[in-house]
Amino acid sequence: GAGVSQSPRYKVAKRGQDVALRCDPISGHVSLFWYQQALGQGPEFLTYFQNEAQLDKSGLPSDRFFAERPEGSVSTLKIQRTQQEDSAVYLCASSSTLSYNEQFFGPGTRLTVL
Amino acid sequence: TQLLEQSPQFLSIQEGENLTVYCNSSSVFSSLQWYRQEPGEGPVLLVTVVTGGEVKKLKRLTFQFGDARKDSSLHITAAQPGDTGLYLCAGELDSNYQLIWGAGTKLIIKP
Repeated sequence: GAGVSQSPRYKVAKRGQDVALRCDPISGHVSLFWYQQALGQGPEFLTYFQNEAQLDKSGLPSDRFFAERPEGSVSTLKIQRTQQEDSAVYLCASSSTLSYNEQFFGPGTRLTVL
Repeated sequence: TQLLEQSPQFLSIQEGENLTVYCNSSSVFSSLQWYRQEPGEGPVLLVTVVTGGEVKKLKRLTFQFGDARKDSSLHITAAQPGDTGLYLCAGELDSNYQLIWGAGTKLIIKP
């Protein structure tokens, strides 16, 4: 596709529900990042994939968060047993090269946990 | 802990005024990027600076990378309402895929 797409754009979940957020990166981009962003703040790193390999998951806040990219393209961020503190915008970014690491972002998924 | 501090956090000015946003760190970066984010959208890359002392211009926006590659600034001349948004700087450390992100500067340009 022309850019990074994410779905759904908005998700409302009841506390305790599981959610799955999808990211379609730019075709051919090797690197894929997930970020969490609070309102008016910079993105906070969650996890990083190089092709299908998850090379860094140090930013995942708890073991309720899980991400995968099984075929090296589409990625899914799953949050189990959602809590109110999980409410945030979840951004996905892809990058074609490790040089300068210029990232292209999707529009984000705004998750609200009630 | 590597930190990238942005200032000011918030800036509201009248159309036509000039402004400067700063991004400072004690770490040396191999490159530094500036992004702009509008409500409901993801950040969009504006520019990447690589060389110490480098200056890049994008229409009314001037970006500078410090000589020591620890800091950067964004200067906007004759700001327009369309410049409104959240401006983010992000630095890349040597041999590291992660970007270190600033907290952002929320800029509002009033007509």
